[in-house]
Amino acid sequence: DAGVTQSPTHLIKTRGQHVTLRCSPISGHKSVSWYQQVLGQGPQFIFQYYEKEERGRGNFPDRFSARQFPNYSSELNVNALLLGDSALYLCASSLFRSWSSYEQYFGPGTRLTVT
Amino acid sequence: QKEVEQDPGPLSVPEGAIVSLNCTYSNSAFQYFMWYRQYSRKGPELLMYTYSSGNKEDGRFTAQVDKSSKYISLFIRDSQPSDSATYLCAMSGSNFGNEKLTFGTGTRLTIIP
Repeated sequence: DAGVTQSPTHLIKTRGQHVTLRCSPISGHKSVSWYQQVLGQGPQFIFQYYEKEERGRGNFPDRFSARQFPNYSSELNVNALLLGDSALYLCASSLFRSWSSYEQYFGPGTRLTVT
Repeated sequence: QKEVEQDPGPLSVPEGAIVSLNCTYSNSAFQYFMWYRQYSRKGPELLMYTYSSGNKEDGRFTAQVDKSSKYISLFIRDSQPSDSATYLCAMSGSNFGNEKLTFGTGTRLTIIP
C-alpha cells in the first residue's frame, strides 16, 4: 500500500485566493481527518469525515470546508486566504475496529504559504 | 491556558539513556491519550494509545496515564539516534475513533551518539 497521499506537496498562494488540498486514504480506511500545523506547534483539528459525512469540526472559520468522495478520498478547501493560513496541512486516515485494533496514518502534508 | 501543555525542549540525551517525555492537561473529559513521533518534514506517526489511567508497554516504549494528576508520560528505554524527532502527545474526550484530537506543542528530542 502506498500510504496516505496528499497533493500538492507545496503551494504558494496570494492573500484572498482560494486553495484546494487533496488526500487519498489508505485502502480500507473510511475515516479522513484534516489538521493544520503551524511551525513550532502541534497539529490542530479541522475536520473529520467518515463515510462521506462530517463527523467533527474544529474551531476554524467558515472559510474552511471539506468533503469526502465515494472512494473515501477527501478535499479541503480554504477561501479568502489570509497570511495566518500559512501552515502544514495534514491528512490522516484511520480504521477503528475495536479499542485494541485501531490504525491511524498521517500523510506527509501539504505546505501552504500565503503571501 | 492551553488544554494540553508540553515542554517544547529541546531535550538532548546520550544514546542508551532512558528518555521521559511528559504532558499535562486541564480538561478532565479527556479519556484517550496518544503519543506520536514526527520527523522533520514528515507527518506524525502514531506510536501508542491508551485509555484512562494505567500503563501500556510496546517494545522500548512505555506510556503512562495518571488521570488523577492529569499527567501523561512516554518513556523510551535504550534510546537510539533514530529516536531523534519531535514527540507529540494528543488526547480526546470523545468516543474512540472520533478524531477530534487536541495536541501538545511537541518536544524536540535529540539522542547523542
